[in-house]
Amino acid sequence: QSALTQPPSVSGSPGQPITFSCTGTSSDVGDYNYVSWYQQHPGKAPKLMIYDVSNRPSGESNRFSGSKSGNTASLTISGLQAEDEADYYCSSYTSSSTLVFGTGTKVTVL
Amino acid sequence: QVQLQESGPGLVKPSETLSLTCTVSGGSVSSGYYYWSWIRQPPGKGLEWIGYIYYSGTTNYNPSLKSRVTISVHTSKNQFSLKLNSVTAADTALYFCARQLPDWFLDYWGQGTLVTVSS
Repeated sequence: QSALTQPPSVSGSPGQPITFSCTGTSSDVGDYNYVSWYQQHPGKAPKLMIYDVSNRPSGESNRFSGSKSGNTASLTISGLQAEDEADYYCSSYTSSSTLVFGTGTKVTVL
Repeated sequence: QVQLQESGPGLVKPSETLSLTCTVSGGSVSSGYYYWSWIRQPPGKGLEWIGYIYYSGTTNYNPSLKSRVTISVHTSKNQFSLKLNSVTAADTALYFCARQLPDWFLDYWGQGTLVTVSS
């Protein structure tokens, strides 16, 4: 199984929105609504931010939102804040009944 | 609040077996709703799902690792474990355990433990 494709890096200024993608195939992202997103700060464990494409865990900031179109899922961070600077990974269920992660996107707050 | 904690040797010799244990608190590995997973992350690289176990003992592994991986559950100790045999330097990584939901997302993670494969 190949990793889902994410842009290596995305940057934005505080207060601005950013959106980045997670591209898979019709055997994973395109065929299932089991896409999730994780935030990982250096040296820390990943933290669940979005599950089932667009659902936020209880207590998570509503500045984070997810969507999907075809084989591509997207994560939007509205009102970018300094603490949002981190690595972000998407994941998806696959037709092989396995889980595949994305290549990761480093978000930089300018 | 569910907490997971990985434990095991931080250094393993090439060709030997990597063994890690995940201790769960604030929840039960015997719950019929959750799956218990292992994920790894080589230094400076991305995440890789290794596989999961259900309380009944049912397992599901990443095909790329399937021939070398065994995940077991120990309900009396509220633990689950990972064994990866015939390790090489490519298996050097931060290993995480996590709770997996039926919708294939991971809601609680351990802090991770670094395992280095070196002679």
